[in-house]
Amino acid sequence: NAGVTQTPKFQVLKTGQSMTLQCAQDMNHNSMYWYRQDPGMGLRLIYYSASEGTTDKGEVPNGYNVSRLNKREFSLRLESAAPSQTSVYFCASSGKGQGRSNYGYTFGSGTRLTVV
Amino acid sequence: DQQVKQNSPSLSVQEGRISILNCDYTNSMFDYFLWYKKYPAEGPTFLISISSIKDKNEDGRFTVFLNKSAKHLSLHIVPSQPGDSAVYFCAASEGVGNAGNMLTFGGGTRLMVKP
Repeated sequence: NAGVTQTPKFQVLKTGQSMTLQCAQDMNHNSMYWYRQDPGMGLRLIYYSASEGTTDKGEVPNGYNVSRLNKREFSLRLESAAPSQTSVYFCASSGKGQGRSNYGYTFGSGTRLTVV
Repeated sequence: DQQVKQNSPSLSVQEGRISILNCDYTNSMFDYFLWYKKYPAEGPTFLISISSIKDKNEDGRFTVFLNKSAKHLSLHIVPSQPGDSAVYFCAASEGVGNAGNMLTFGGGTRLMVKP
């Protein structure tokens, strides 16, 4: 099915370990985003990529890096994981003329990350 | 400081009754608003949206109302069904349709519809 695919779905890291969260979309969208969801905080933007070759910081970028590998793929890297990065991470993409809305995101199913 | 706030973390309604979810925003530059629905272990999915040039948008059982002077919007679900039980996120954007426009999300409201 067309959409946004995130891997892995679950991950447990030790403090100080590194990992990369992968995201790929097959809707030919230009823009891609990484959000984290924490209780009571809603979804907060970490980084986004307006188009292939560009990336920008969002609201909570500290401790993260991103790579827009090509139009389809946008990865999020934690270089040295900390317990404060325990969260659910969502990747999303957007493009014009999508679905019932003339502007909206398609989200992946999320990665649940625990840092101990 | 949260620019989009959903002050009710949870809401419980009886099946068949109306559910009203509220959202307030502070940024006067927001001109497009969306509601997303999220089930456990899934990503949020788009539900309904409204442009600032309108004060109401309806889609089946779902209606969104926008009061720009009060910087307030609400989502009405009539009649509520058990399958509507989920977390609902309000989101806002400056500008519509431009690549890279970010959505700012509220904290979410958990709706429980009791049979």
